[in-house]
Amino acid sequence: DSGVTQTPKHLITATGQRVTLRCSPRSGDLSVYWYQQSLDQGLQFLIQYYNGEERAKGNILERFSAQQFPDLHSELNLSSLELGDSALYFCASSPNEGNEQYFGPGTRLTVT
Amino acid sequence: GENVEQHPSTLSVQEGDSAVIKCTYSDSASNYFPWYKQELGKGPQLIIDIRSNVGEKKDQRIAVTLNKTAKHFSLHITETQPEDSAVYFCAASLEGGSYIPTFGRGTSLIVHP
Repeated sequence: DSGVTQTPKHLITATGQRVTLRCSPRSGDLSVYWYQQSLDQGLQFLIQYYNGEERAKGNILERFSAQQFPDLHSELNLSSLELGDSALYFCASSPNEGNEQYFGPGTRLTVT
Repeated sequence: GENVEQHPSTLSVQEGDSAVIKCTYSDSASNYFPWYKQELGKGPQLIIDIRSNVGEKKDQRIAVTLNKTAKHFSLHITETQPEDSAVYFCAASLEGGSYIPTFGRGTSLIVHP
């Protein structure tokens, strides 16, 4: 158990819908990262927050957005969902920036 | 930005053999190199890491080596066991820096009993 929690574990929704994925980092960790992992794909970095501020953006679609709240939990919002958005979404946290990341168990999103 | 290449993409060994996975990175400023193991249906788990001020680090059956001059680092697993079967990812980052940790594309290790 990494100490990072993600909810929900599984999510099935229809095209065009909007969903919110939630992540609680390890106690004391200030950085939160979001990744997308499709079948047979590596980890695609989406976005990073550090102590409430957006720090880096990767290949994140305009339909996706995220935020980190004062209590350091983070939410990833996915809207106008398409079939191709079906994937595993991981959240990771790290004590600071650039150091070891601890991954949550992931949220499996299925868009039908 | 940083670019990390990881080889091989698939590695099949017999139980008891050694396994080696190699990664190269492009940005000489990178100073932190972790390795992650991802089992089926789970999130990646940090298994070992190395910082640029050391050349080798061991933890029981796993070891990581770093060659800063050549900008490559490797994961070595000795006496492999079936439970070592998983996907392994390398990464490179700058500790305390604001650039994104960059991951390799992963190596699927299969250990045959």
